[in-house]
Amino acid sequence: KQEVTQIPAALSVPEGENLVLNCSFTDSAIYNLQWFRQDPGKGLTSLLLIQSSQREQTSGRLNASLDKSSGRSTLYIAASQPGDSATYLCAVGMDSSYKLIFGSGTRLLVRP
Amino acid sequence: SQTIHQWPATLVQPVGSPLSLECTVEGTSNPNLYWYRQAAGRGLQLLFYSVGIGQISSEVPQNLSASRPQDRQFILSSKKLLLSDSGFYLCALERQGDEQFFGPGTRLTVL
Repeated sequence: KQEVTQIPAALSVPEGENLVLNCSFTDSAIYNLQWFRQDPGKGLTSLLLIQSSQREQTSGRLNASLDKSSGRSTLYIAASQPGDSATYLCAVGMDSSYKLIFGSGTRLLVRP
Repeated sequence: SQTIHQWPATLVQPVGSPLSLECTVEGTSNPNLYWYRQAAGRGLQLLFYSVGIGQISSEVPQNLSASRPQDRQFILSSKKLLLSDSGFYLCALERQGDEQFFGPGTRLTVL
């Protein structure tokens, strides 16, 4: 049974700092991995999708990497801003039905 | 572009009452659709998914059911709500390229 873990559960950093959020999964036979952002009381916003054959994806200040063999993904946020404050969720898709299994999230606070 | 509508946005219901949450999508045809629940202190859990009209797969045994009467409509229902049904319900669709796209959610409180 696939389990997805995100560490740390919460993170507080000063504005401008570069930071890394971690996601690990127990079964390396994934189909894809997706990073989301969730603001309080809101739905999920997709940030990056990495297919199982890819090593990384980039969008603006965000870079996500995937190492299937070690069961890890990282989300790198460059030059963090207060507007980046949110909960970040990673989710793995296990097969072509695209069902996602979510981690419990990292709650990020970027202090001005 | 694809859009997901969910209503109501918030709902407070007594224990034992029925439930109907609706999700409709625009800008796509024959999408895979999903219902997730996010309960307090717990992660997002997949409840149901549908690959087409009338086709529903249930992920976990529970007090809820789902239906897909039209291509772009996905409904979550219950005949009698339990306290444990409280949570944030999210509808999602699969975009081209395997990416999942989420709606704004419905917050359900069962008292």
